Amino acid sequence: GEDVEQSLFLSVREGDSSVINCTYTDSSSTYLYWYKQEPGAGLQLLTYIFSNMDMKQDQRLTVLLNKKDKHLSLRIADTQTGDSAIYFCAVTLYNNDMRFGAGTRLTVKP
Amino acid sequence: DADVTQTPRNRITKTGKRIMLECSQTKGHDRMYWYRQDPGLGLRLIYYSFDVKDINKGEISDGYSVSRQAQAKFSLSLESAIPNQTALYFCATSDSGGNEQFFGPGTRLTVL
Repeated sequence: GEDVEQSLFLSVREGDSSVINCTYTDSSSTYLYWYKQEPGAGLQLLTYIFSNMDMKQDQRLTVLLNKKDKHLSLRIADTQTGDSAIYFCAVTLYNNDMRFGAGTRLTVKP
Repeated sequence: DADVTQTPRNRITKTGKRIMLECSQTKGHDRMYWYRQDPGLGLRLIYYSFDVKDINKGEISDGYSVSRQAQAKFSLSLESAIPNQTALYFCATSDSGGNEQFFGPGTRLTVL
């Protein structure tokens, strides 16, 4: 089946950069997403990238896509305590379904 | 006001009981989805609907059913709840392009 994999935990110090990685198996994925989930809340779309792009930058967020290796990453510059949350990678499949990774819990220490 | 609402937000029930979770949206979106979230497993799609009366099975539909009687409402039923259905359930909506999904706040269901 189609898989989306992420490491489950990441801990960084405030002010450092965070890099959350994701790998996927479906080479036909056209849209790839990063969602943020804060405690007790639903998922909120942070950013997304089309499969024909290899980088997208949006303020402190940088998304890198390596289609050859099926690897997606999210870099958060100058990480703040308010960035502590669970970050989900998600990809669309050939039939327009979405598959989510298990989520990476980012902890930002002061 | 929230665009995607879910009721109830929390529910504790017993094995064998019938449970219905409701989702309503004011975004005017055609597409609606039900997911469950389990620790370490991310979100898994249960059912989705692209229009009124349109129902499609997702990755893990066994033990669940849905109803889409109106564009704004999509309900998820557990006919006979079992403990391994204890999870956080999310409803989501998207427009016909389907590029971004908007999530409700979630319903925490515990089956004893």
